[in-house]
Amino acid sequence: DIQMTQSPSTLSASVGDRVTITCRASESVSNWLAWYQQKPGKVPKLLIHKTSSLENGVPSRFSGSGSGTEFTLTISSLQPDDFATYYCQQYNSYSLTFGGGTKVDIK
Amino acid sequence: EMQLVESGGGLVQPGGSVRLSCAASGFAFSRYSMNWVRQAPGKGLEWVSYISSGGNTIYADSVKGRFTISRDNAENSLHLQMSSLRAEDTAVYYCVRPSGYCSGGTCYGAFDIWGQGTMVTVSS
Repeated sequence: DIQMTQSPSTLSASVGDRVTITCRASESVSNWLAWYQQKPGKVPKLLIHKTSSLENGVPSRFSGSGSGTEFTLTISSLQPDDFATYYCQQYNSYSLTFGGGTKVDIK
Repeated sequence: EMQLVESGGGLVQPGGSVRLSCAASGFAFSRYSMNWVRQAPGKGLEWVSYISSGGNTIYADSVKGRFTISRDNAENSLHLQMSSLRAEDTAVYYCVRPSGYCSGGTCYGAFDIWGQGTMVTVSS
C-alpha cells in the first residue's frame, strides 16, 4: 500500500498567516491527490481534487500543488473558519490511503 | 440534493456481526462506484472497502475476510456486512461517493459526497 505522510501533524497559526501543509507519498501517485477539511464532530469536506482543482464553493485562498510524491496545501491568508484538521488522500491505487492529518489551531 | 444516509450502527460484542446500510438519493446511484471509509475515535480516516457499479469489490487488508460490501442498484442502497468484529473496528463508518476516473474496470476518486456517518462500537 502507498503510505501518505503529512507534516506537520499540528500547526499553530494566527488569522492572516500563510499556512502550508505537506503530504508525501511513499511512491508516485501521479496527480491523483485530494485534500479534505474536517472540523470537530463534522463530516470531512472535500476541498481539492486532482492535486490542484478546487471544489465548487471552496474559497480561493486554498490552493494545492505538487506531483508524483510531494504535494502541498496552502492557505494564503488563514481565516477563523479555517481552524480544522486537514487530510490528504491518494487515489492512484488501492488500497486508497489517507495522510495522518494536520491540525491547524489558533496560536 | 445529493445525499447519503447511513444506518445500522450500534453497540456490538467482540466476535459479533452488524450490517450497515446507506441510502443514496439525488444522483444516479447505479452509475457510481461506492466506498466505505471509517474513523476511529480521535483518529484519522481509513478507507475500508470499494464496490464498482457492477459489483466488483476491493477490501482493506484490515477487514478482508470479515467484511462484505454489497449494493442494490434498484433500491439505491449500499451495505456493509461486518462480522468477527474486534475492538479496533470501533469507529464512525461513512458511506462515500467518489468522483474521479476509471481504469481497467476499477474506479478511483476523491470523495465528494459523504454520509453523516454511523457509529459502531465493539465492546463487551
